[in-house]
Amino acid sequence: KAGVTQTPRYLIKTRGQQVTLSCSPISGHRSVSWYQQTPGQGLQFLFEYFSETQRNKGNFPGRFSGRQFSNSRSEMNVSTLELGDSALYLCASSLATQGVSYEQYFGPGTRLTVT
Amino acid sequence: KQEVTQIPAALSVPEGENLVLNCSFTDSAIYNLQWFRQDPGKGLTSLLLIQSSQREQTSGRLNASLDKSSGRSTLYIAASQPGDSATYLCAVSSGYALNFGKGTSLLVTP
Repeated sequence: KAGVTQTPRYLIKTRGQQVTLSCSPISGHRSVSWYQQTPGQGLQFLFEYFSETQRNKGNFPGRFSGRQFSNSRSEMNVSTLELGDSALYLCASSLATQGVSYEQYFGPGTRLTVT
Repeated sequence: KQEVTQIPAALSVPEGENLVLNCSFTDSAIYNLQWFRQDPGKGLTSLLLIQSSQREQTSGRLNASLDKSSGRSTLYIAASQPGDSATYLCAVSSGYALNFGKGTSLLVTP
């Protein structure tokens, strides 16, 4: 079974631009979560989607948004990029259903560099 | 707010040693606890998942324990090998999100 895939793997953007990252979950997984990893803050939760609905959101500004499609693929968007948005963005998928938490499987990440 | 702490932050051991990595969390109302491994610049690889009703899980040379009442988990690695060198992350699930510790950076020297 194929794992979680993320595209692109690397991105370089300029301050003020916007960016869209994509995540394809493991087949059959309907829950997709996004995390930001930086050396200073570690791994921080951005948001989680299940069946096209955002169920939970972390403490990030509104510049960070996401969505999930009917095939469970997910995208996250960051608008008006800041230098501090440079990070490894990780996507995870799981079988999680209503109110239940299952094992999460992570993709390889997208390395975003903002100059 | 759930706080997850991992001790030590870094560890260097000679090949063949058994070692223990520690993880503590502040809120015992958890669904499960997951241990991950991360190689430099890579994503996370799931090692073990312990549900809140379980006390331990084993996979090969790895054994993870969970004491929910005291807010602690340990990851035991037997007969360490250089290929075990990586950062080990502990994550606690209290719902739909994982709360991560900062990790333990492990170096196993030949």
